[in-house]
Amino acid sequence: GQNIDQPTEMTATEGAIVQINCTYQTSGFNGLFWYQQHAGEAPTFLSYNVLDGLEEKGRFSSFLSRSKGYSYLLLKELQMKDSASYLCAVRDSNYQLIWGAGTKLIIKP
Amino acid sequence: GAVVSQHPSWVICKSGTSVKIECRSLDFQATTMFWYRQFPKQSLMLMATSNEGSKATYEQGVEKDKFLINHASLTLSTLTVTSAHPEDSSFYICSASISGTSASGANVLTFGAGSRLTVL
Repeated sequence: GQNIDQPTEMTATEGAIVQINCTYQTSGFNGLFWYQQHAGEAPTFLSYNVLDGLEEKGRFSSFLSRSKGYSYLLLKELQMKDSASYLCAVRDSNYQLIWGAGTKLIIKP
Repeated sequence: GAVVSQHPSWVICKSGTSVKIECRSLDFQATTMFWYRQFPKQSLMLMATSNEGSKATYEQGVEKDKFLINHASLTLSTLTVTSAHPEDSSFYICSASISGTSASGANVLTFGAGSRLTVL
């Protein structure tokens, strides 16, 4: 079967750095997405990786290793507004999106 | 940027009634839209893929007669929950795939704001 694994919950301090990991086992791979979802709201797109390596976008960076079936989302200079769930999703060989359950990130002052 | 508008944002209804949720692409044409359901603290679950001018494609385990999807135009898809029951209470989200919207040119899903359904 297809599976996306992410930690259920993480806690970090304002101003710090946090890394959210995602491992996947899917039938084929056509890209990996990270979305942010605040409570009660729809997800918003953060990043996309299809090749190995690091993609940087401001305070957020996303890394991919296809051989290891692994990605991480790195958030720097954490702000209270970064408190949200972070969803990892992989597009499989049929171009279907397989979603992880999300990681709830709690930022403390 | 591309905007997907979803309405209503929340609805409360009595058991046995039907509820319609609308999803509109505001400044682009969406030949395909996706309907998701999300229970608290769970992942997004794809319910169906809505194709303009043709029948929707439902995921395994989703009752097509209960969750009616109509995609009559390139900018509007609707989901009707028929004879709703308390177990249908959930967060329903529509989305559309926008071609080439990521820096890498990937198709990125843009989501509506979601509709929270509570069935009493």
